[in-house]
Amino acid sequence: AQSVTQLDSQVPVFEEAPVELRCNYSSSVSVYLFWYVQYPNQGLQLLLKYLSGSTLVKGINGFEAEFNKSQTSFHLRKPSVHISDTAEYFCAVSDAFLRGGSYIPTFGRGTSLIVHP
Amino acid sequence: KAGVTQTPRYLIKTRGQQVTLSCSPISGHRSVSWYQQTPGQGLQFLFEYFSETQRNKGNFPGRFSGRQFSNSRSEMNVSTLELGDSALYLCASSIGTRDYEQYFGPGTRLTVT
Repeated sequence: AQSVTQLDSQVPVFEEAPVELRCNYSSSVSVYLFWYVQYPNQGLQLLLKYLSGSTLVKGINGFEAEFNKSQTSFHLRKPSVHISDTAEYFCAVSDAFLRGGSYIPTFGRGTSLIVHP
Repeated sequence: KAGVTQTPRYLIKTRGQQVTLSCSPISGHRSVSWYQQTPGQGLQFLFEYFSETQRNKGNFPGRFSGRQFSNSRSEMNVSTLELGDSALYLCASSIGTRDYEQYFGPGTRLTVT
């Protein structure tokens, strides 16, 4: 089974500064990778996903992530953050083979991004 | 298109009681998954239903159960509640077997006293 490590539980940053949220997963032959965002009192919303192809994936709200197979990482980046980006971010990984007929992801513990004015 | 809805949004129960939570997926979505989210354990998979059949199950005791109806709406039940069951319960829907993108509801906040 996959395991996902989000190396930072909390990342404080000033508005308009760049940010990187780190995610590492246990090795596997082939994986699908996701980043979700959760705002207070809301469910999770998909930011971006990697299924195959280009290792640089662009998502919503100016976020992007890079899949690095050799380092088993999928770090999330944004060149300039806004106050409204303050939220909890989750990395998720699923094996690229059917388990019981679907791809059940394993989630990391989450990283709290706190953007200061 | 309406999103995933969950009812109720907040619930307070006493130890030993049972509770039923409801989830209505996005129209056309046939797969519904349930997750438990706590500060200590993070997001943990409970079970997944597709076409009224439980297709996958996480590592939770038998007190946690669920079902899916013919209209894809799903319910989960927790019997003999324990203090440790206090959590945010999230429901997610997706189109079907090979769809990777899950759409999450706002969750039901369950507090057990």
